[in-house]
Amino acid sequence: QKEVEQNSGPLSVPEGAIASLNCTYSDRGSQSFFWYRQYSGKSPELIMFIYSNGDKEDGRFTAQLNKASQYVSLLIRDSQPSDSATYLCAVNSGGFKTIFGAGTRLFVKA
Amino acid sequence: DGGITQSPKYLFRKEGQNVTLSCEQNLNHDAMYWYRQDPGQGLRLIYYSQIVNDFQKGDIAEGYSVSREKKESFPLTVTSAQKNPTAFYLCASSIAATGNQPQHFGDGTRLSIL
Repeated sequence: QKEVEQNSGPLSVPEGAIASLNCTYSDRGSQSFFWYRQYSGKSPELIMFIYSNGDKEDGRFTAQLNKASQYVSLLIRDSQPSDSATYLCAVNSGGFKTIFGAGTRLFVKA
Repeated sequence: DGGITQSPKYLFRKEGQNVTLSCEQNLNHDAMYWYRQDPGQGLRLIYYSQIVNDFQKGDIAEGYSVSREKKESFPLTVTSAQKNPTAFYLCASSIAATGNQPQHFGDGTRLSIL
């Protein structure tokens, strides 16, 4: 059974701080990794995707991938109250099926 | 604007009733998906379709049915055989059903039992 694990949180950070969200996965053959943001009562919104080991930056967001350790993380710099949401990690092993984690709730305190 | 439209936003089902959730996309994507989300859980795949007139069961297909007669449309029917249908239903699409293509979601339909 392929799994994607995330700490459910809530992760609470002060405004302006760096929020670090982590995700581990069980399938060593995983190739593609996605981060989605989901506000309460809304649908998931794609933030970033990463395929290769290392870091990928997009604005205030950085995705980090370490395939040897089977984890992927999302850093949010200069966190804002509007970043308060649930962040879903999703992993694909090359086929049609993408496995979603249950998400980490982030709360940014003003 | 391109996007995925799901309707209705809220739906109530009576005992023994089949209901159909609509999903339409104008992104020219080949692949479409239906997920179910329950509180505190990850998204679970119900059905997916890689191309018109073809669809495959996901992890929790029992009690659900789909059709893919047009590239733009992928309706989901929740049948009376699905005994616990209360959930948030999400339709998604991607350029192709290959792993490196991100999926984009509609706004969802919230289904409850009357």
